[in-house]
Amino acid sequence: GIQVEQSPPDLILQEGANSTLRCNFSDSVNNLQWFHQNPWGQLINLFYIPSGTKQNGRLSATTVATERYSLLYISSSQTTDSGVYFCAADSGGYQKVTFGTGTKLQVIP
Amino acid sequence: DTGVSQDPRHKITKRGQNVTFRCDPISEHNRLYWYRQTLGQGPEFLTYFQNEAQLEKSRLLSDRFSAERPKGSFSTLEIQRTEQGDSAMYLCASSQGTGGYNEQFFGPGTRLTVL
Repeated sequence: GIQVEQSPPDLILQEGANSTLRCNFSDSVNNLQWFHQNPWGQLINLFYIPSGTKQNGRLSATTVATERYSLLYISSSQTTDSGVYFCAADSGGYQKVTFGTGTKLQVIP
Repeated sequence: DTGVSQDPRHKITKRGQNVTFRCDPISEHNRLYWYRQTLGQGPEFLTYFQNEAQLEKSRLLSDRFSAERPKGSFSTLEIQRTEQGDSAMYLCASSQGTGGYNEQFFGPGTRLTVL
């Protein structure tokens, strides 16, 4: 099945800083999502982005399907952005979704 | 749209007992997924339903695990003869599954602790 790798594994930011999280995948993808997992374990949908670029407030994401990576940008970070960010992908036809190991983000005041 | 719900939210059991979890997907979502997440890891796929048909099972799903989705609505995940290694967060997700579009929405999870 598809392999999904995320980097960096851990990230500490000062409030107000910008950051870029990366997701590499081993095969062409039919579906790709970014999630934020809050301290209570709830996975919150950020972007559904198998290709192209999307923006939602301070967050944006870009997937370059031909080069097999996706980026999540967080601008002007806030302490509420803290948590674990996951990307998840499937290669279609075969509906198993594979999650990366996540990036743990801590935003300090 | 009430989102995906799961019950119970927490379950503590003794080793060897059976447990059953329930997931109610977003209404009209055809696809339903079960995942398991242990500390410090991403969710791992367990099984997937298209309507009432179970189409895919991970090899993580041992013979002690069984999942059903009668009538293509809610789903149950049962673990028989629980072991301490079964302690984890069990997550359910649903998606419309129309064509190639497969955006998944997750429930809050059931946290299982096996003593």
